[in-house]
Amino acid sequence: EPEVTQTPSHQVTQMGQEVILRCVPISNHLYFYWYRQILGQKVEFLVSFYNNEISEKSEIFDDQFSVERPDGSNFTLKIRSTKLEDSAMYFCASSERASGPREQYFGPGTRLTVT
Amino acid sequence: SQKIEQNSEALNIQEGKTATLTCNYTNYSPAYLQWYRQDPGRGPVFLLLIRENEKEKRKERLKVTFDTTLKQSLFHITASQPADSATYLCAPMNRDDKIIFGKGTRLHILP
Repeated sequence: EPEVTQTPSHQVTQMGQEVILRCVPISNHLYFYWYRQILGQKVEFLVSFYNNEISEKSEIFDDQFSVERPDGSNFTLKIRSTKLEDSAMYFCASSERASGPREQYFGPGTRLTVT
Repeated sequence: SQKIEQNSEALNIQEGKTATLTCNYTNYSPAYLQWYRQDPGRGPVFLLLIRENEKEKRKERLKVTFDTTLKQSLFHITASQPADSATYLCAPMNRDDKIIFGKGTRLHILP
């Protein structure tokens, strides 16, 4: 069964460094998403991406964040200058439908630890 | 602001009984409502979607109801099993892209 994959599974970085989290969505899916979950808290929407552009973003997704689909299969989340509070699990998701309600398929997550 | 409340942080249910989880929302008129399951350290897994014009949806041992007047959804697992132990997330959706998740209810099925 096709699934969303994410790399790395765990990333440790120093405050102020740039990180890139990578995702390979399910191949025929059209919509891509990033979410984060701080330990013990709820899953929070960051951004959605369709047709090579951001379709929606949350207040969390400020200028320090960017997303890209560099090569037609990968979908990346970049954090330019990490802060301690960026430590969280980051989940990538994708969905298939072009319209109507879309169930989203989540990857296993990348645990980001900022020290 | 939009608010989602899921009943009690944790729920203990005896194996074989029906587990019922509650999701209430305010300042919201969702067109759809989804339920996801999340195991520790893993991403959410889609379970069921119900539309605003549907009262009830079933899938195997799962049943979801959606009451737009009460602004509430109930999620039932019948004949519960220890393998059903997980956190269950409610996610009302508007007709846009983003999912706003509730905090979830941790369900423990006791053998």
